[in-house]
Amino acid sequence: EDQVTQSPEALRLQEGESSSLNCSYTVSGLRGLFWYRQDPGKGPEFLFTLYSAGEEKEKERLKATLTKKESFLHITAPKPEDSATYLCAVQVIQGAQKLVFGQGTRLTINP
Amino acid sequence: DAGVIQSPRHEVTEMGQEVTLRCKPISGHDYLFWYRQTMMRGLELLIYFNNNVPIDDSGMPEDRFSAKMPNASFSTLKIQPSEPRDSAVYFCASSLAGTLVYTFGSGTRLTVV
Repeated sequence: EDQVTQSPEALRLQEGESSSLNCSYTVSGLRGLFWYRQDPGKGPEFLFTLYSAGEEKEKERLKATLTKKESFLHITAPKPEDSATYLCAVQVIQGAQKLVFGQGTRLTINP
Repeated sequence: DAGVIQSPRHEVTEMGQEVTLRCKPISGHDYLFWYRQTMMRGLELLIYFNNNVPIDDSGMPEDRFSAKMPNASFSTLKIQPSEPRDSAVYFCASSLAGTLVYTFGSGTRLTVV
């Protein structure tokens, strides 16, 4: 069975304290890995897509990386507005449009 | 574009009642998805459509759930009869073929008492 596991479940950081979120996957065949951000009371919002091991994507203070078994979302010098739940999702079947989501990491940045 | 529009934002209903959730996708998007989010199970795909045709409904929990997409700009998810365990946030999302970049609506928070 295809599985996506995110860790930690929750992370609390001080403003400016860099860290990383992990997404590990056990799937029959990875087609793409996606990161979304979800704010309270809202739907998830797309951040990045990664397709092959070694690929990296950056956006402001966030950088996503991909290996053959996991992905990391690195957050550098975070600000309080980076507080959100970060969701990882995988596309597992070629040609299928559906994503399988992990449980998410709830990130809190204290000022 | 106003994004994906869901209604209602909140729904409280009694067990056994019929519930209908509505979604208007982004104009031009040819895929529409219904997801359910709970603390215990996270985001689960219920069903998705391509060009108004249901493609995969393997995530629909049981016969009490049904979904329709009568045209490119409207979809419904119906639960009949509703049960307390159906309480969750239901999200609709749409995308363009080949991108897998979903645009989600703000969700409908359903509470069945």
